[in-house]
This record gives sequence, structure tokens and C-alpha cells, in this order.
Amino acid sequence: QSALTQPASVSGSPGQSITISCFGTSSDIGSYDFVSWYQQHPDKAPKLIIFDVNHRPSGVSTRFSGSKSGNTASLTISGLRPEDDADYYCSSYSGTTTHVFGTGTSVTVL
Amino acid sequence: EVQLVESGGALIQPGGSLRLSCAASGFTFSRYAMTWVRQAPGKGLEWISVISIGGGMTFYADSVKGRFTISRDNSMDTLFLQMNSLRAGDTAVYFCAKVSLGSFGEINYFDLWGQGTLVTVSS
Repeated sequence: QSALTQPASVSGSPGQSITISCFGTSSDIGSYDFVSWYQQHPDKAPKLIIFDVNHRPSGVSTRFSGSKSGNTASLTISGLRPEDDADYYCSSYSGTTTHVFGTGTSVTVL
Repeated sequence: EVQLVESGGALIQPGGSLRLSCAASGFTFSRYAMTWVRQAPGKGLEWISVISIGGGMTFYADSVKGRFTISRDNSMDTLFLQMNSLRAGDTAVYFCAKVSLGSFGEINYFDLWGQGTLVTVSS
């Protein structure tokens, strides 16, 4: 049950696009389309922003999009805004009825 | 209002026990699997346990297996986490969350979270 690997930090200027990668294995991301992404602001609960690789819950901005290739999932934030300054976590079903999160990425809007 | 509210967090000595609760409202609690996720101070999210709709099936991360027990009371719309043999490494904010399962019961995603309750294990 090792954590998925994400870059520790990513930054961008307002209006730019950034992409966060999430590296897994053939036992988790590579085997299932149960990849989700969460946004967490300081001292707040995580919020679901992407599920099933590339689906957005109702009310989540279309600026957030997800994708997957092989053992790697990605989250792209387009048209970066100050309110996007937060931590982002990927997660995946990992078989044998377990679940694993990524190490987390701190996004800084410059 | 659709929400989850955790309670029960406290300062507890190593080796001690604690029971967390998670009260659900605004949705039909008995129709959803539920989970606990924790976050150590300044660290990332860690999935620790899930329970089926009726409570008959439970699964745990290796880090808590044998020490923690998840349960639920659907008549009270409440989820529980019994934590025994607590260690310093269990210090974290504990979140409960509502689970969306895959077609074959896979733990897919968590679409409603509580605000969390802090457990501190220290002498």
C-alpha cells in the first residue's frame, strides 16, 4: 500500500495552465479507472474535484480536467486563479479492497 | 444540509484507546459505504478503513489493522472508529467520508467529507 508519487510543488502565474502528475503502478492506476483528485485548502477538509479519471462533480469548475496514461494520472488546471492556491491529492483504488492517496502537491499561484 | 460531523478527538497517552464518531445528516446514510481517512500534521492523506452499507464487510490499511475497528449504526446515522493500542504515529486529524463504490464494490471516490477531529497521542 505505497502512496502514489506526486511532485511536492508546482507553481504558475494567474491565467496560465499547470499539470500535476501522479505516478502509480500496474496494481493501482494502471489497472483501474478509479482515479480521483482532491483539493485541500489549509485547515479545511479535502474536496473532490475529479473522479473516474476525468469526470467533474457538479459545481466544480471546467478549468479542472483529468487524464490517465498507463500508470500515470494527471490533473490540469487551466486559467490559474488565486483561489486555486491549495494542496492537491490524487487517489486510486489499489485492489484487494484498499485505496491509496498520492503524496500531495502544493500549488502556488504566483 | 448534507454534512458529516466528526467528534471524539482528544489528547491520549500511548497505548490508550479512543472512539471517534461521525454523525451524518441530509442524505440516506444507510445507502452508502463509509470510510475514515487521516492526515498527520503537515503530512498527506492516508486512507485507513472502509465499511460496507450494512456494516458486514470492513477493510483496513496495514498501518491500523488489528488495532482499529470501524463500525456503524444505521439507526443513528453514525459511523464509528474504535482505536486501540494508540501510538505517537497515529497522531492526526481523522476525517470521515462518504464513499462511492465501483460496480463490483471497488472503493472509488469520496464525495462528502467531514471537517475532521484531531487525535493527539502523547505522554
